[in-house]
Amino acid sequence: DTEVTQTPKHLVMGMTNKKSLKCEQHMGHRAMYWYKQKAKKPPELMFVYSYEKLSINESVPSRFSPECPNSSLLNLHLHALQPEDSALYLCASSQGQGVYNEQFFGPGTRLTVL
Amino acid sequence: DAKTTQPTSMDCAEGRAANLPCNHSTISGNEYVYWYRQIHSQGPQYIIHGLKNNETNEMASLIITEDRKSSTLILPHATLRDTAVYYCIVRPRGTGGFKTIFGAGTRLFVKA
Repeated sequence: DTEVTQTPKHLVMGMTNKKSLKCEQHMGHRAMYWYKQKAKKPPELMFVYSYEKLSINESVPSRFSPECPNSSLLNLHLHALQPEDSALYLCASSQGQGVYNEQFFGPGTRLTVL
Repeated sequence: DAKTTQPTSMDCAEGRAANLPCNHSTISGNEYVYWYRQIHSQGPQYIIHGLKNNETNEMASLIITEDRKSSTLILPHATLRDTAVYYCIVRPRGTGGFKTIFGAGTRLFVKA
């Protein structure tokens, strides 16, 4: 299995809602990532987990809260989002530490905040 | 992290080779060159990476100049399905490689 899966594919939420995005991989990868991508822009790194510990937080607002319950699963909890947070949220995974950190990306969750 | 410069867009005829250049003049000795592509509405896809030698795989070839200040991704026989945004990224080895910074990329249009 060489896939990264993300659910849901699409999500519409109000500014007062709480929702979660889910990402899963079964490749035995020990690093997992969240990216945010606005229309016609490149992906921007948000968070990196390495061996289930938060390794990088790119100064992301606290209304985004990542969680890594186990080595295969990565969640992004959303609360009190703003309309400008509407974007494609991409999850990726890689083997972990080491030279060959090629990342495998999921198809993304398209989020709309009303 | 080293910065990369790529053309905004390029056209290529179907069946011909697509040569996508990337400038990374500030690359340091421990940084690798990676290429990804993103087809519309999909997640980015890894293509190839290299340090200083030329590399080839089933998808593409990567030519890195001797001074490592630039590289070219070659798709030998472009098809319509190769229409995508191509990103050239430089990343250090090890845990420093976690921080992947995507530049604006090159939008490649393959035309019939």
